Amino acid sequence: GAVVSQHPSRVICKSGTSVKIECRSLDFQATTMFWYRQFPKQSLMLMATSNEGSKATYEQGVEKDKFLINHASLTLSTLTVTSAHPEDSSFYICSAPRPSGGGGRTQYFGPGTRLTVL
Amino acid sequence: KQEVTQIPAALSVPEGENLVLNCSFTDSAIYNLQWFRQDPGKGLTSLLLIQSSQREQTSGRLNASLDKSSGRSTLYIAASQPGDSATYLCAVRPQGGSEKLVFGKGTKLTVNP
Repeated sequence: GAVVSQHPSRVICKSGTSVKIECRSLDFQATTMFWYRQFPKQSLMLMATSNEGSKATYEQGVEKDKFLINHASLTLSTLTVTSAHPEDSSFYICSAPRPSGGGGRTQYFGPGTRLTVL
Repeated sequence: KQEVTQIPAALSVPEGENLVLNCSFTDSAIYNLQWFRQDPGKGLTSLLLIQSSQREQTSGRLNASLDKSSGRSTLYIAASQPGDSATYLCAVRPQGGSEKLVFGKGTKLTVNP
C-alpha cells in the first residue's frame, strides 16, 4: 500500500491565488521530507528539503517566499505556492526517507500533485 | 555538480524481449543509486536501490548493475510485458549528509503486445 500520500492530487486555480499541497508519511515518522517539481518531459528537480522543527532548506534559484514549506509534525509537510502564476503549473512530488533493511533508508515518493494555474 | 543522463530517451520493443536501460552520472562520489518507475501522471515507485559498495541488485525480472568508477548503471528487464510500459528514472544520492536525489530525465518504455 501507499507509504506517502499527497493531497490534493490535482488542483486548478486562478492566477494570483495560493495553493497548499500536503505530504504525509503514512506509517512512519519523517523528520525530513523533500519537495520536487517536474515539468513535462523533464527530470524531477529538487526544490527544497523540509525539516521538522526548523526552517526548510531551499535549492538555488527557488524562491522561499513563493514556495512556503511548513513541516508541521513528524508525518506532515506542506508546500504552499503563493500568488501562483501560469509558469508555476507543474507536477509537484514529495518524498520521505523510510528505514529499510540493513540500516539504510529508502526514499518513498507521494503520488504527486498536478497544479494548473490559469 | 552531479548530472545524470539516461539513454535512450524512449524505447519501443515487442513483448517478450529482453532490454537494457542505461544511466550515467558525472560524479562517482555517490552514496547509492536508485531506479524508479513512473506511470503517466503518477508518482514514483522504487524498483531497485544499489548501495555504492554493491555491484548489482535483482528483483524478479529486473536486474540493476552499478559501476561506480565509470559512472554507469544499467537496468535489465527480462521477458518484457506490456505492463512494463512506463517511464524509468535513475537517481543518485550524492555522498554527504543530505538524502536528496539527483534524477535523470528518464527513459520512456513502450512494450507492444
